[in-house]
Amino acid sequence: AQKVTQAQTEISVVEKEDVTLDCVYETRDTTYYLFWYKQPPSGELVFLIRRNSFDEQNEISGRYSWNFQKSTSSFNFTITASQVVDSAVYFCALSRTNNNDMRFGAGTRLTVKP
Amino acid sequence: GAGVSQSPSNKVTEKGKDVELRCDPISGHTALYWYRQSLGQGLEFLIYFQGNSAPDKSGLPSDRFSAERTGGSVSTLTIQRTQQEDSAVYLCASSLVVTSGDTQYFGPGTRLTVL
Repeated sequence: AQKVTQAQTEISVVEKEDVTLDCVYETRDTTYYLFWYKQPPSGELVFLIRRNSFDEQNEISGRYSWNFQKSTSSFNFTITASQVVDSAVYFCALSRTNNNDMRFGAGTRLTVKP
Repeated sequence: GAGVSQSPSNKVTEKGKDVELRCDPISGHTALYWYRQSLGQGLEFLIYFQGNSAPDKSGLPSDRFSAERTGGSVSTLTIQRTQQEDSAVYLCASSLVVTSGDTQYFGPGTRLTVL
């Protein structure tokens, strides 16, 4: 069965703090894809990153970085020097390769206070 | 258009009425997906289309829900005899193809309220 767990329901930080959003997944597939999406208050889901199961290299994009570890089935997302505009709900998702059936975690609501 | 569009943005209806929600995918995207997001919840996968075909409809919550896609472009999600538990935001996404974990790009959603 495919499952994504985001154990942190809500996180609140003060601007400029670093914050890590956890994502743990379950799958029996050997090939799969992991995603992070941001859902700001406006409601539209914004794609952040896509990672396939064969690529465990960590990725950095500006203040965002992702740590993919197959050994622990985790795909954590870190925001460095958080800003108020980072306030949103962040979703981790797992996709199969045959039908793109994407399973989302419940989301983590991040609030960055000035 | 540049992104996925959905209409209406908001729909308020009375229990028992039928509603139609529309999704216009990114031009050139052959795959289209429908999700439901209930208040404060994650996304629930409903159905996907590859072209005009929906190979698996098991994600639809009940037989009151149906979806179609014509011309490989616009899709309509229809909910018949709406119930209060159908109240949610219905999100549509599209991707180039269905396979290989292709990135899905989402529309702004339709917020459905059933009174």
